[in-house]
Amino acid sequence: DIQMTQSPSSVSASVGDRVTITCRASQGVSSWLVWYQQKPGKAPKVLIHSASSLQSGVPSRFSGSGSGTDFTLTISSLQPEDFATYYCQQANSSPLTFGGGTKVEIK
Amino acid sequence: EVQLVESGGGLVQPGRSLRLSCAASGFTFDDYAMHWVRQVPGKGLEWVAGITWNSVKIDYADSVKGRFIISRDNAKNSLFLHMNSLRSEDTALYYCAKSDNWNFVGGSIDNWGQGTLVTVSS
Repeated sequence: DIQMTQSPSSVSASVGDRVTITCRASQGVSSWLVWYQQKPGKAPKVLIHSASSLQSGVPSRFSGSGSGTDFTLTISSLQPEDFATYYCQQANSSPLTFGGGTKVEIK
Repeated sequence: EVQLVESGGGLVQPGRSLRLSCAASGFTFDDYAMHWVRQVPGKGLEWVAGITWNSVKIDYADSVKGRFIISRDNAKNSLFLHMNSLRSEDTALYYCAKSDNWNFVGGSIDNWGQGTLVTVSS
């Protein structure tokens, strides 16, 4: 199975900050990498698919990059509604696997 | 609007069985693969099982393989998860989720239900 490792596990940031989250796969997943946002008590929501494609309706301050084993999610200017937990997930092969999550907290 | 509504969760004793159901609406159900994903409250996401649009390809997480069975009824726009030999570590919120294509790999999980809670305890 492909292991997905996210870092950091949590980050404290202020509104307007640039936030970067990284995700590393234990083996190459090409560009089959998805980023989700989850708020407390809610189901996850897709932000980025295919490593760098913005899901329809998602603000452009979110961006994704990378291929192979190393990926990045960037929030260019953190907004109050962005405080949440973010997960990466590889979609290259079964079983699908998620990273452990990164909680973005208010500083 | 896509809607996925799970049911069937509850309290069950270790070793017993439970069947989860998911009623889908708002999209052409038999065009898409489907998933079950679970989450222990306060913890991360774990993919449980996936099934292609025509049920030809199915796979499971190692943690449930041999105990859980995913199935679907395209005529009734429904997805199921039959859970056998339940363990305390199966306690979680179980989400029904839709793939963005016919396969459960090579895409994203683009719609999720609100989940149904399964608690395994004596």
